Amino acid sequence: NAGVMQNPRHLVRRRGQEARLRCSPMKGHSHVYWYRQLPEEGLKFMVYLQKENIIDESGMPKERFSAEFPKEGPSILRIQQVVRGDSAAYFCASSFGQGGEQYFGPGTRLTVT
Amino acid sequence: QQPVQSPQAVILREGEDAVINCSSSKALYSVHWYRQKHGEAPVFLMILLKGGEQKGHEKISASFNEKKQQSSLYLTASQLSYSGTYFCGTEGPYNTDKLIFGTGTRLQVFP
Repeated sequence: NAGVMQNPRHLVRRRGQEARLRCSPMKGHSHVYWYRQLPEEGLKFMVYLQKENIIDESGMPKERFSAEFPKEGPSILRIQQVVRGDSAAYFCASSFGQGGEQYFGPGTRLTVT
Repeated sequence: QQPVQSPQAVILREGEDAVINCSSSKALYSVHWYRQKHGEAPVFLMILLKGGEQKGHEKISASFNEKKQQSSLYLTASQLSYSGTYFCGTEGPYNTDKLIFGTGTRLQVFP
């Protein structure tokens, strides 16, 4: 009865490096959402994906950020050339269908030094 | 646009009640409620789909007024475990739209 899994839980990167965050949805779920959360703030929508498709990426910065959810394997959120402002907790959530309840993973805390 | 929650913070003694409100400036298809404890992931509480619908989960219930584009979360006889930050997430006007989370309400319950 595995829930949503994310790894790594903590990631430290120097400015200019790349960060790769992984998310494995709950069994049977084919919809994945990525959110960003700054300390003491709410969850900001970034991107919504289904297998092999990006459904809505309106919350993604236009540069340096990309996401994918391949046919096989986890969903990946990729941040190129990280800057200090990218430091945040990144949560992924999954749902069985569109618009259904979303179940969150434990998050990846990214720190850019 | 981000839904607005009120109040921003609530302090309670065990056994007291609280109401958290969530207001949107646009038509809604559904409202989702989550609780997040410090340093942890948000946990799903409930989803409301219809106007005027009410749902309950133990001593936590919620209502959704579709016409007013508002939802309220009711916590009765609060327990220490209720402490955390509560977020509403709104979807609308169609069910194909993404979930936009509110500003959050921090609830602290003391013995």
